[in-house]
Amino acid sequence: DTGVSQDPRHKITKRGQNVTFRCDPISEHNRLYWYRQTLGQGPEFLTYFQNEAQLEKSRLLSDRFSAERPKGSFSTLEIQRTEQGDSAMYLCASSLTTGLAVNEQFFGPGTRLTVL
Amino acid sequence: AQKVTQAQTEISVVEKEDVTLDCVYETRDTTYYLFWYKQPPSGELVFLIRRNSFDEQNEISGRYSWNFQKSTSSFNFTITASQVVDSAVYFCALGNAGNNRKLIWGLGTSLAVNP
Repeated sequence: DTGVSQDPRHKITKRGQNVTFRCDPISEHNRLYWYRQTLGQGPEFLTYFQNEAQLEKSRLLSDRFSAERPKGSFSTLEIQRTEQGDSAMYLCASSLTTGLAVNEQFFGPGTRLTVL
Repeated sequence: AQKVTQAQTEISVVEKEDVTLDCVYETRDTTYYLFWYKQPPSGELVFLIRRNSFDEQNEISGRYSWNFQKSTSSFNFTITASQVVDSAVYFCALGNAGNNRKLIWGLGTSLAVNP
């Protein structure tokens, strides 16, 4: 297993454009998380999936953000009408959730978004 | 409310020094999990350790050790004989089933190990 992968690694876009990021989790993991991280901060939770179901979305997340995980495998995060404030590192993580335990999340390398 | 506090924003040491990174957490749950992650300059978060609230044994892994004390709600991380490759931002995180197993993150401690 090669771990969590994310594509692209870097994205530069102009304000107002739409962008889409992809995450491929560790294959046997049933949970997939999206986070955003800005300089000097910890990861900020955006949303997560259990298999193909999106179970929670941060209230801080505007309607311009949408995520999908068709068939419970890879996931995409789309940002519509990007704004300069969306510039950040977007992190994907996956975990194997069993019972009530909180298991470790494994992170991908992230996608760094720059909105000009 | 759940919270993780890493009071040390930045630490700078000289190689071979021992260094301890502090983590204090707040939770009302009796069952919870604590984590440490390392984020080197390359940016990828690397999992280091997971502890559950019922296991207060300290853990040692090579030059790394962790001290979990429920009495003070702390889960501190010590690097012995630090090396330049230890330079990174280290995050402490808290999770429990009641919060949909999401992790609550501290703001991180930036460690610089100088030669």
